[in-house]
Amino acid sequence: AQTIHQWPVAEIKAVGSPLSLGCTIKGKSSPNLYWYWQATGGTLQQLFYSITVGQVESVVQLNLSASRPKDDQFILSTEKLLLSHSGFYLCAWSLSAETLYFGSGTRLTVL
Amino acid sequence: GDSVTQTEGLVTLTKGLPVMLNCTYQTTYSPFLFWYVQHLNEAPKLLLKSSTDNKRTEHQGFYATLHKSSSSFHLQKSSVQLSDSALYFCALRSNYNVLYFGSGTKLTVEP
Repeated sequence: AQTIHQWPVAEIKAVGSPLSLGCTIKGKSSPNLYWYWQATGGTLQQLFYSITVGQVESVVQLNLSASRPKDDQFILSTEKLLLSHSGFYLCAWSLSAETLYFGSGTRLTVL
Repeated sequence: GDSVTQTEGLVTLTKGLPVMLNCTYQTTYSPFLFWYVQHLNEAPKLLLKSSTDNKRTEHQGFYATLHKSSSSFHLQKSSVQLSDSALYFCALRSNYNVLYFGSGTKLTVEP
C-alpha cells in the first residue's frame, strides 16, 4: 500500500527565518508529486509539481522553492519566511495527473 | 485563464434534505473536473471525477454530471447525513499536472 508522510506536523517560525518542509511517498515508483498551500478555511493553491527526480515546475511565485532530490522525496523551502506564508501545506502524489492523494499536511504559523 | 467558481461559501441543511453545490468552470482546454471533500483537520480526498460530457458519475451517495455546454459540474446528494459536514472543493484539470481549485463550499448538516 502507498503511504505519504509529511514532516513536520506543525511549525511556528519567525518572519525572516528559513523553512524546510518534507514529504516522502512509499509504495509507488516515479509518482508525480505536488505541493499545495491552503490558507485557513480557504482554497487550495498549487505551488509546484514534479514528474521526475531533479525536475520541478513552479505554478505560482510565492518566494518559495521546491526540490526533488530522490524519487520518493519532495522538499519545500525558503530562506526567508513572510507573514503571508502562514497556512496549511499539503503534499500530494498521483500517477496520471488525475486523482491526487494528499498527505496529512503541515500547519505553518509565521510570527 | 482557467478558473473554477463555486458560488456558495456556506450551506447549512437539516439531515435528510437534498443538496446541490454549484461548480462552473472556464477553460480553453478539454476539461477534467473533480470534487474533493475535506473533513475538519484532515487532508482533502477525491469524491468524484469526470471528463465525459453528459454522463453522471456517482460515489458514496453523491453524484455529478459534467455539462460542457454550460461549463458546469454541480455536486448533488438526495439526502444529506451529519457525516457529510465538510468543506467541498470543485477542481479543474485542463493543462496537464496543474489543478485549479474553487474557493470551496462549507456544508454543515444539522440534526
